[in-house]
Amino acid sequence: DTAVSQTPKYLVTQMGNDKSIKCEQNLGHDTMYWYKQDSKKFLKIMFSYNNKELIINETVPNRFSPKSPDKAHLNLHINSLELGDSAVYFCASSQDPGQGPEQYFGPGTRLTVT
Amino acid sequence: DQQVKQNSPSLSVQEGRISILNCDYTNSMFDYFLWYKKYPAEGPTFLISISSIKDKNEDGRFTVFLNKSAKHLSLHIVPSQPGDSAVYFCAASSSGTYKYIFGTGTRLKVLA
Repeated sequence: DTAVSQTPKYLVTQMGNDKSIKCEQNLGHDTMYWYKQDSKKFLKIMFSYNNKELIINETVPNRFSPKSPDKAHLNLHINSLELGDSAVYFCASSQDPGQGPEQYFGPGTRLTVT
Repeated sequence: DQQVKQNSPSLSVQEGRISILNCDYTNSMFDYFLWYKKYPAEGPTFLISISSIKDKNEDGRFTVFLNKSAKHLSLHIVPSQPGDSAVYFCAASSSGTYKYIFGTGTRLKVLA
């Protein structure tokens, strides 16, 4: 069974479009994250949700909006896509910090904006 | 400002020898450190961690060493195997936070 899954794995779209990436975890974790890995391979946190509440919101354009319908899901919606949004987006989950900090990552979604 | 740095972008090691991957950090509030391994087209996989109350943690072929005064940690893999060829990321966090800062990764190639 896949612990953290993301769909789609690849996404090619044009500038100005709106797209969503879905993430689901079946580990029973309370916390989920979105990371962006850019062309320089930096893995940077974007958002984190704990029990459906936003707890980390890094300096990310307003065009990016995470949504957590329940604690097993964290979706990422991106409006008005730009060329610079091209990257690999990783979803991750973890237990609460006091129970162990390791995160479990999904396989990534490679977004290409043309 | 990169708070976690992996200054070696790549490393090649002969099979059976020791691989040593290094990581430096600048934020003294970090008290938990992790290493992840990443294969192409996959997400990072947790490998080993260490709390700041320890200076060494061992798990099979993998050992992480922490030097708090130097703000430096290293991952030792002994003996190295071809299947260890991957990108290795170190990450750091502060107690009770959900925020993890990752280094830029070191690509390890183990030569058969």
